[in-house]
Amino acid sequence: DAKTTQPPSMDCAEGRAANLPCNHSTISGNEYVYWYRQIHSQGPQYIIHGLKNNETNEMASLIITEDRKSSTLILPHATLRDTAVYYCIVKGNNDMRFGAGTRLTVKP
Amino acid sequence: NAGVTQTPKFQVLKTGQSMTLQCAQDMNHEYMSWYRQDPGMGLRLIHYSVGAGITDQGEVPNGYNVSRSTTEDFPLRLLSAAPSQTSVYFCASSFGLGGTGLTDTQYFGPGTRLTVL
Repeated sequence: DAKTTQPPSMDCAEGRAANLPCNHSTISGNEYVYWYRQIHSQGPQYIIHGLKNNETNEMASLIITEDRKSSTLILPHATLRDTAVYYCIVKGNNDMRFGAGTRLTVKP
Repeated sequence: NAGVTQTPKFQVLKTGQSMTLQCAQDMNHEYMSWYRQDPGMGLRLIHYSVGAGITDQGEVPNGYNVSRSTTEDFPLRLLSAAPSQTSVYFCASSFGLGGTGLTDTQYFGPGTRLTVL
């Protein structure tokens, strides 16, 4: 079973920040949080990952709560091309299991 | 680098037929995995391999076999195709899953769309 809980869908206005939440209350101390996205029917694409500290790269920012039980992926200026399904994943021992994800729709 | 390649892109089978989905990567990744994605659903892990000669089962392994004779290739075999195996199949690879974060980042292939009649 996936170790994460995400809302099934969200909308965001183009140009605004998209904040996608993820609950991972059973995360272990050495487990990383990963975010991937899947645009249409393409293969998933890596976005960002983190352990304890907040992370930022050219695509997004990842905010992890101090107790590590939840996190938020932030797309600072969403565009129409960011419309996709976003997956929050907590890596298991030897595998990476995807849940249902959040379908983000960016609207003009 | 070509990254992760999958063949074929599309396949139609009749119930009971067998076939092999091919997956190859040229990044010298140790870890490879197979997922299936049913319409409107997330990805489910079928099998994975942490290196040549080593494979293990994921969430939904029944009806599928894998082997890993080389680092580059990780074929998925359907033994006797059933309509329930109609799905899109994705192969992925990464340097490893050693827990260091960046090395666990998976790269996905474009997928194989399989229909079983």
